[in-house]
Order: sequence, then structure tokens, then C-alpha cells
Amino acid sequence: SSELTQPPSVSVSPGQTAGITCSGETLGDKHVCWYQQKPGQSPVLVIYQNKRRPSGIPERFSGSNSGNTATLTISGTQAADEADYYCQAWDSNTAVVFGGGTKLTVL
Amino acid sequence: QLQLQESGPGLVKPSETLSLTCTVSGGSLSSSSYYWGWIRQPPGKGLEWIGNIFYSGSTSYNPSLKSRVTISVDTSKNQLSLQLSSVTAADTAVFYCARHSYYFYGSGRYYYLDVWGKGTTVTVSS
Repeated sequence: SSELTQPPSVSVSPGQTAGITCSGETLGDKHVCWYQQKPGQSPVLVIYQNKRRPSGIPERFSGSNSGNTATLTISGTQAADEADYYCQAWDSNTAVVFGGGTKLTVL
Repeated sequence: QLQLQESGPGLVKPSETLSLTCTVSGGSLSSSSYYWGWIRQPPGKGLEWIGNIFYSGSTSYNPSLKSRVTISVDTSKNQLSLQLSSVTAADTAVFYCARHSYYFYGSGRYYYLDVWGKGTTVTVSS
């Protein structure tokens, strides 16, 4: 099955732009979605189909996907955005595959 | 508003079968617009997809768990069930049920998990 690789951690200053990457073979040919998970809570979908935002997700969350890398970008990062973020894509064998997760710290 | 609630024993003995139920309220498991499935998260670790099911009973499983997993649906009760057999300590995790929205793109059926339950913790220990 495909593997999705994420950096274990990313740090950003409040108000700055955070980028979280997700890498996989020919990932740009697939659709990627992203989830936010705060401590003790269930994951929340923040991006699907590479760049679509579900209702209620702030515009500062955006997504892109090209080549072998998908990126979740958080503009004007707030303290409330501190969380774990997981990418997810389709795999011909597993159907649903998650990346290992990235801990976003807002310093 | 759609809500999913997981329930089941919090403690299971090694080699036994873990059984969980997800009760759906505010929506119907019989909808042809969605699949419904299970995801787990070991303590301090990432998410692992277990599998999903369509209201018709059609299932897909993670190959790494396929030999031990059964997912079923009871549309009359609006409940989704998970059975995981021959459990070991490595199966200790928070188990989530989630609605899988889907669409077709290229050669695949894509899912995104847009509604999640709060999760239930299952510990495997004697």
C-alpha cells in the first residue's frame, strides 16, 4: 500500500503562515484530504479533494497538491490552530490511508 | 444534526474478540450517499483505517487487519458494528466510527471522513 510521509513537527509564530507537507509516490495524481485533531478530541475534516473546505472551516486553511507532495497551508496561524494534522488519500489496496501526522506548535 | 456514538467494553482480554457498536442519530445508515466505517488510534500514535461498509452490506477492509475484522450494519437499529478477533495488547486504542462521504475519481472510489464519533477507548489486558 502507499505510504504518506509527514514531518513529525512544525513550528510557527502566531500570525505567520504554516505549511504542513504530505509526500507520497505520484500523490499529485490523487486527491488528498486533511484532518485536525486537538488533544482528547476526535479528528475534524479541514480540507477534502485537495483544496475544498467543509462548511465552518476558516478560510485561513487551504490545500494544494502537485507532484509527489500535498501541502496544508494555514495563513495567519492562531493559537487555536495548535493540533495534530493528518493527511489522507486513496490507495488501490487499502482504500483509505493516513499519513503519520504532524504536530503543529504555535510558539 | 448527525451524531455518531461508539459503545462497548473498555477492557478486553488477549485472544478474545473485541466488539463495538456505533449508533447513528440525526441521519440514516440506509443512505446511498455514504459509507460508514471504523478508525483506530493507539495511545500517542496516529490514525489507522480499519474498514467501512455500505448500507447494502458491501465492505472494504484494511489488508493488514482483514483476517481479523468484521464490520456489519443493522439498518433497523441504525447501528454499525465492529468485531476484531484474536486481540493482543497491540490492539489497545481509541476506536472511532465515522461517516465516509465518497465520490469517483480516476480509477478509485475516494472517501473523506466528514463526521466522527467521540471515540471509545479499548484496552486489551488480562
